[in-house]
Amino acid sequence: NAGVTQTPKFQVLKTGQSMTLQCAQDMNHEYMSWYRQDPGMGLRLIHYSVGAGITDQGEVPNGYNVSRSTTEDFPLRLLSAAPSQTSVYFCASSPLNRAGETQYFGPGTRLLVL
Amino acid sequence: AQKVTQAQTEISVVEKEDVTLDCVYETRDTTYYLFWYKQPPSGELVFLIRRNSFDEQNEISGRYSWNFQKSTSSFNFTITASQVVDSAVYFCALSPISNFGNEKLTFGTGTRLTIIP
Repeated sequence: NAGVTQTPKFQVLKTGQSMTLQCAQDMNHEYMSWYRQDPGMGLRLIHYSVGAGITDQGEVPNGYNVSRSTTEDFPLRLLSAAPSQTSVYFCASSPLNRAGETQYFGPGTRLLVL
Repeated sequence: AQKVTQAQTEISVVEKEDVTLDCVYETRDTTYYLFWYKQPPSGELVFLIRRNSFDEQNEISGRYSWNFQKSTSSFNFTITASQVVDSAVYFCALSPISNFGNEKLTFGTGTRLTIIP
């Protein structure tokens, strides 16, 4: 099992550009989520999904879109990047309906918006 | 709303000393999970422990121990005989226990621990 994978590892964007951060898991987990990590802020939930076709907003959803067409993939889209979106992004997954199961995190994507 | 407070932004101790990382939480949920994660300099998040709000027993795993006190809404983490490899940022996190499980983690801001050789 590769676990949770994220691509790219590092990306530089110019303000206004769009891009998609990829996240995939091979553990057949129903639940997937995206967090951003900023200095002094900890990790904050952006969007999450409890299964294919079902997504919902987290704490800081503005400026990001998600979709979940398959169980394995949960891409995060930045339609028009802004410097405030400079951050480290983590994707996570976990099974549902298994109380106490932890979330498995990917290695992160470091994004710099100029 | 949920909130996790890690008041210690940075801690430095000399190797082999014991160190305690504090975590205080706020939640209106009657059932919830508490977590600790480690983020070493390489950047990945490493799961350390999960504690159910029903279970206030302290837990020990090797040099690591956790003290959960519901009365003070605290979930503190102690490293005994610290080692250089313990240098990392440590996050405390909280999630409600929903019908689905334990999604929607709320993280504290983290404590950067530096072990001085």
